[in-house]
Amino acid sequence: QKEVEQDPGPLSVPEGAIVSLNCTYSNSAFQYFMWYRQYSRKGPELLMYTYSSGNKEDGRFTAQVDKSSKYISLFIRDSQPSDSATYLCAMSSPTGANSKLTFGKGITLSVRP
Amino acid sequence: DTAVSQTPKYLVTQMGNDKSIKCEQNLGHDTMYWYKQDSKKFLKIMFSYNNKELIINETVPNRFSPKSPDKAHLNLHINSLELGDSAVYFCASSRQTGEGIQYFGAGTRLSVL
Repeated sequence: QKEVEQDPGPLSVPEGAIVSLNCTYSNSAFQYFMWYRQYSRKGPELLMYTYSSGNKEDGRFTAQVDKSSKYISLFIRDSQPSDSATYLCAMSSPTGANSKLTFGKGITLSVRP
Repeated sequence: DTAVSQTPKYLVTQMGNDKSIKCEQNLGHDTMYWYKQDSKKFLKIMFSYNNKELIINETVPNRFSPKSPDKAHLNLHINSLELGDSAVYFCASSRQTGEGIQYFGAGTRLSVL
């Protein structure tokens, strides 16, 4: 079993739809959970950052972490064509000498006008 | 002013050649990373350096040798290039080791023919 599993894609939705992106993980030491967005031919950029369980909202984006189920989600409300990108979940254990980000495989989202 | 810049953006070369990729960050961060992203968008850490010191070497072949002349620069030299080295290589930086908030460069697209 991979440490981080992300729903396979690609995903295509009409403009205005609510999008749900999900990842599961196996390492219970993970405490920090991130979503990165990567536009075509660009580097990943941090979209959402959460610590431990709970929800975090930023505009149209909501990140949810359920540590008991080892499950994280990213919700996008009122999706826009500009949201078309690859979304990568990432996780890490508490910072330390050997701490590193472990990424999911990424899912490519296309929002149709 | 680009926070994390890497050169070149594109690299096309023959099998067996040696090539280098350069990375610079102007964020004042202590930690820098090299990641490899394969054709399926899977992003995996290769190396991390903290203040010029190697912290993580993720079972990367010896043909890959990172060098950090100072904490703002991290270069990657690849000897005897193989077809399987074709990928996008990303440089990233963070304030401290393993931190989830990382800033990525735009990537170097390496094609080995």
